[in-house]
Amino acid sequence: SQQGEEDPQALSIQEGENATMNCSYKTSINNLQWYRQNSGRGLVHLILIRSNEREKHSGRLRVTLDTSKKSSSLLITASRAADTASYFCATDLSGSARQLTFGSGTQLTVLP
Amino acid sequence: DADVTQTPRNRITKTGKRIMLECSQTKGHDRMYWYRQDPGLGLRLIYYSFDVKDINKGEISDGYSVSRQAQAKFSLSLESAIPNQTALYFCATSDFDGAGQYFGPGTRLTVT
Repeated sequence: SQQGEEDPQALSIQEGENATMNCSYKTSINNLQWYRQNSGRGLVHLILIRSNEREKHSGRLRVTLDTSKKSSSLLITASRAADTASYFCATDLSGSARQLTFGSGTQLTVLP
Repeated sequence: DADVTQTPRNRITKTGKRIMLECSQTKGHDRMYWYRQDPGLGLRLIYYSFDVKDINKGEISDGYSVSRQAQAKFSLSLESAIPNQTALYFCATSDFDGAGQYFGPGTRLTVT
């Protein structure tokens, strides 16, 4: 079963625009992580936000977490064609012995 | 050299055959994981290991087995492959607190 669900499933924007992806989950978490996957490649860890944090930044990435709504968002600012990829949220569930549960992903296409 | 390597990268096999996928890592991490990814879906956990003597079933372990030969090596076996095991398989590692996982490049397995 999927713990995290990303929204939208697909997103197409122009280079330079901002891209926002959302993730909702069902149960309490230790942390929530975002990963990027280029087509047919392995996943790359982007950023982790802990359950007691509300916002985190890393370069052009901004992640927010609202534990009361069980949701997170990933914002990529000033997008580039190289940002084209699938983005997955993964939840580290409380008491799960550090297993990650992945959502089904958002396919982002950045048009040059 | 890549931190997490997987062999083979691509494999086509027939129904009923036994097949082994191998994973090696140079990150020195204790924790290793095997996932499968089906088109349009996120990753699902097959097995995970927190050290050489620790093996745990994940969400979808039926039809699979694993062996942790050393801290750096974690193999996944399909005892009798079936067509619905056609998927992309990923190995991943993490450090003690499970913060962020490092993925291999994946093995594309086709069972005919």
